[in-house]
Amino acid sequence: ELKVEQNPLFLSMQEGKNYTIYCNYSTTSDRLYWYRQDPGKSLESLFVLLSNGAVKQEGRLMASLDTKARLSTLHITAAVHDLSATYFCAVTQETSGSRLTFGEGTQLTVNP
Amino acid sequence: GAGVSQSPSNKVTEKGKDVELRCDPISGHTALYWYRQSLGQGLEFLIYFQGNSAPDKSGLPSDRFSAERTGGSVSTLTIQRTQQEDSAVYLCASSPSNNGPRYFGPGTRLLVL
Repeated sequence: ELKVEQNPLFLSMQEGKNYTIYCNYSTTSDRLYWYRQDPGKSLESLFVLLSNGAVKQEGRLMASLDTKARLSTLHITAAVHDLSATYFCAVTQETSGSRLTFGEGTQLTVNP
Repeated sequence: GAGVSQSPSNKVTEKGKDVELRCDPISGHTALYWYRQSLGQGLEFLIYFQGNSAPDKSGLPSDRFSAERTGGSVSTLTIQRTQQEDSAVYLCASSPSNNGPRYFGPGTRLLVL
């Protein structure tokens, strides 16, 4: 059974600081997704990582994938309050078809 | 352009009643997914459609849950004889292919009293 674990689950940080969210998964995966969810809202797609060594950046967020370590990271650079949200990673697995298996989510709060 | 839409946005029902939740995917998206999000269980996969067929319905929690998709577009998730543990946010997502990014709708918040 594919398991996806994120850490930390809760993260409180100050504006201007850097931090990394980690996503570990238990078995070989096709691809890895990062989503953002604001309170009471739906999921917004941030990144899709397709291969080992893939790195994608959008604004202050950068995601990377190491398929050998079964690890993805979401790095936050010089955080701003607007980044406060819950971040989910999710993976698909060939043997489970198209289903996404989600991590528990990391609730990020950026304090002014 | 229009994103994924879902209706109703909120639904309050009594235990034992049936409910229907609707999803309108992005036009042209062949893949459609239903997920459920609740406090205790996180985000759970329910069912996946490719066109009108459902190659993977293994996430449906019981036979009270069913879903269909018609015309390769609109999908309906039906929950019969609702129970309090069915209370959750039901999210629909669509994708241009089963490998692409999933675009999620706003969800239907279901509360079973």
